[in-house]
Amino acid sequence: EAGVAQSPRYKIIEKRQSVAFWCNPISGHATLYWYQQILGQGPKLLIQFQNNGVVDDSQLPKDRFSAERLKGVDSTLKIQPAKLEDSAVYLCASSLDGGFEKLFFGSGTQLSVL
Amino acid sequence: GNSVTQMEGPVTLSEEAFLTINCTYTATGYPSLFWYVQYPGEGLQLLLKATKADDKGSNKGFEATYRKETTSFHLEKGSVQVSDSAVYFCALRRGGSEKLVFGKGTKLTVNP
Repeated sequence: EAGVAQSPRYKIIEKRQSVAFWCNPISGHATLYWYQQILGQGPKLLIQFQNNGVVDDSQLPKDRFSAERLKGVDSTLKIQPAKLEDSAVYLCASSLDGGFEKLFFGSGTQLSVL
Repeated sequence: GNSVTQMEGPVTLSEEAFLTINCTYTATGYPSLFWYVQYPGEGLQLLLKATKADDKGSNKGFEATYRKETTSFHLEKGSVQVSDSAVYFCALRRGGSEKLVFGKGTKLTVNP
């Protein structure tokens, strides 16, 4: 089966610019996650969707970050405006029913904010 | 709060050496514990898990035992291969929560 697809693979922007990341989860997976992985740290959950509803966005910096999953399939994560400290790898993951035994990660989008 | 502490890396070993990567946790209740692996250029993959005290997770020659008395979940492998070179993450999920909490990761390099 196809894995979790993310694009772009790399993105370089200047601070105060906007950027968007796209994620296509595995077909049929109801739960979708966005994680932020800063260099030298473990992934941190930003937001979790169940179908097109938000389950947990407690660690999402809502003043600059937004995410949507309008049709319960693809998702986009946006940063506007970006700050230097947003430089990180943004990982998307999906699971059939929220179970961690079957959690699949994409390869991530590496963001550099200059 | 809930947290995971992993040994500092990077770890460099020769092929066929014994591997231990230490992981300790702090959590309320009885968390489930996981080891994830990230190979170069790939996404994270679940390596093994344990859901209760004294459980042993194992996969691909790797093992880890859930030790409640020492709040640890150390990863071990008896004989590493070059293909094991990757970053390894210890993680926990507290009972009743769907949120995974990761450690900082330990980079392993195995030389031939």
